[in-house]
Amino acid sequence: GAGVSQSPRYKVAKRGQDVALRCDPISGHVSLFWYQQALGQGPEFLTYFQNEAQLDKSGLPSDRFFAERPEGSVSTLKIQRTQQEDSAVYLCASSLAYRDGYTFGSGTRLTVV
Amino acid sequence: DAKTTQPPSMDCAEGRAANLPCNHSTISGNEYVYWYRQIHSQGPQYIIHGLKNNETNEMASLIITEDRKSSTLILPHATLRDTAVYYCIVRVIGGGADGLTFGKGTHLIIQP
Repeated sequence: GAGVSQSPRYKVAKRGQDVALRCDPISGHVSLFWYQQALGQGPEFLTYFQNEAQLDKSGLPSDRFFAERPEGSVSTLKIQRTQQEDSAVYLCASSLAYRDGYTFGSGTRLTVV
Repeated sequence: DAKTTQPPSMDCAEGRAANLPCNHSTISGNEYVYWYRQIHSQGPQYIIHGLKNNETNEMASLIITEDRKSSTLILPHATLRDTAVYYCIVRVIGGGADGLTFGKGTHLIIQP
């Protein structure tokens, strides 16, 4: 597609529920990133894939967060047993080459109630 | 990645040039300067990047000082649609960890 697509656009989850957030990167983009953005703050890095390999997951806040990209294209960020502090916008970005700027999706706004 | 310092907010009149400063006094030789912006309710948008030479594209110009300790993003003819948070980021190329480190950025408000 023309851009990075994320779904759903909005998600409301009850505390304790599991959620799955999807990212469709630009076709052919090797690098894929997930970021978390709390209200009023800049995005914070969560994890990075190069093709299907997860090369950096140092930003994942707890073991309740898990990301995968099994075929090197679509990626899913899963959050288990959601907590209120998980409420944020989750952004996905992709890039073709290492030095390129990233293309971000519009994000998924997760609200945990 | 090196830390950057930006003013929290700036105003600019529509049609005038918007000059957004960024200090990155601890930048190292292999770190690039990147600029992104984020319009309300959207994901960040890449604007421009550079190493040590000035750069220009269809969106903006990037001026990097000779000592590389600061830079200025210039939007030559600001419009209302340029109202956004602008992030200055320094990033190592080939350093392994590839995540961008966003600060709080500068909230640029274009006044009609």
